[in-house]
Amino acid sequence: IAGITQAPTSQILAAGRRMTLRCTQDMRHNAMYWYRQDLGLGLRLIHYSNTAGTTGKGEVPDGYSVSRANTDDFPLTLASAVPSQTSVYFCASSDRAGADTQYFGPGTRLTVL
Amino acid sequence: AQTVTQSQPEMSVQEAETVTLSCTYDTSESDYYLFWYKQPPSRQMILVIRQEAYKQQNATENRFSVNFQKAAKSFSLKISDSQLGDAAMYFCAYLRDAGNMLTFGGGTRLMVKP
Repeated sequence: IAGITQAPTSQILAAGRRMTLRCTQDMRHNAMYWYRQDLGLGLRLIHYSNTAGTTGKGEVPDGYSVSRANTDDFPLTLASAVPSQTSVYFCASSDRAGADTQYFGPGTRLTVL
Repeated sequence: AQTVTQSQPEMSVQEAETVTLSCTYDTSESDYYLFWYKQPPSRQMILVIRQEAYKQQNATENRFSVNFQKAAKSFSLKISDSQLGDAAMYFCAYLRDAGNMLTFGGGTRLMVKP
């Protein structure tokens, strides 16, 4: 069982380009999340999905969009990347929203130049 | 809004000794969950331990235990018999009941000296 996989592992992107970060989980968890971690800081929630077909905004959603077409996949899209979006992005999942522990993927390091 | 504070940016411990990492939080909720996550240089976020606020008993996981003081809003992590592999960033995190967002502290970097 792989748990949560993220792709790519790292990426350098020119400002203004569109980028989709991929996240797949094989635990059949209902809830999924995207966080960003800036240098020396804890993680902040970007978007979440409590179940397939639903999404919600987290603490720092501007400039990002998500979709949840099925249980396993939760891609994060940057429509027009800006340098302030340089960060490490973590996908996470939990059996259900609210009470359950969130488990994290390995992260994607994104640099926007 | 909930906040989580880790007042120790860095800590060091001798191998085989015990170290305690501090965490305080602010909330008006009565039902919530608290976590410690470990982030080694590989950057993977690894769950160390979880505490439900409604449980009075402190959680333990092998060499890791917590001191949960609900009235004081304090949630410290004790690592016993420290090992070189324990060296990492440690993050305290809060999740309110029925919430989606983990609120993280700023982290404590733990160094383990051989």
